[in-house]
Amino acid sequence: GQQLNQSPQSMFIQEGEDVSMNCTSSSIFNTWLWYKQDPGEGPVLLIALYKAGELTSNGRLTAQFGITRKDSFLNISASIPSDVGIYFCAGRNYTGGGNKLTFGTGTQLKVEL
Amino acid sequence: EPEVTQTPSHQVTQMGQEVILRCVPISNHLYFYWYRQILGQKVEFLVSFYNNEISEKSEIFDDQFSVERPDGSNFTLKIRSTKLEDSAMYFCASSGPGGTQYFGPGTRLLVL
Repeated sequence: GQQLNQSPQSMFIQEGEDVSMNCTSSSIFNTWLWYKQDPGEGPVLLIALYKAGELTSNGRLTAQFGITRKDSFLNISASIPSDVGIYFCAGRNYTGGGNKLTFGTGTQLKVEL
Repeated sequence: EPEVTQTPSHQVTQMGQEVILRCVPISNHLYFYWYRQILGQKVEFLVSFYNNEISEKSEIFDDQFSVERPDGSNFTLKIRSTKLEDSAMYFCASSGPGGTQYFGPGTRLLVL
């Protein structure tokens, strides 16, 4: 099956620092999404990307859909304590895969005050 | 803002028992999904449902699992005879025509 690997697996940063994480796939997706999950809760959508090369921002978050359609990155600028959580990338295809999301392995973010 | 709701938030059951997990999707959505997340692992797709039938299912979704939309608002996941390895968080999601999926808060299932 399709595999999505995220790196880093976890990161511990100082408040105010910028954060970068990425996601790579063994196969192509035509939509990439980034979700954040707080402990004991469901994933919350942060950003959706629909075209190869697309760069989209949502407040302090910026995400890009890789040109090869096999990767995506997420940047968080000026991190704050509430950014703590697990960030998951997810890929989706409409052809041959229906609407199901394939999730990445997650990046756990911890912010030190 | 509309949201997906799930009940119960926690369920403890004995191995071999049947459980039904309930979801109320966002009201104007037509596509419904179940995912599960074993503790500390990634979220895994189970099944998608559209127009009163399963549109896609994963290898995890075997004959022990079934889904139903019994009325205009609820969407349920039934596990017929639970196993220890069914212990996980189960998330319901729904989407509109654009395809963006919104997740519920999850049901934590513990099989003893």
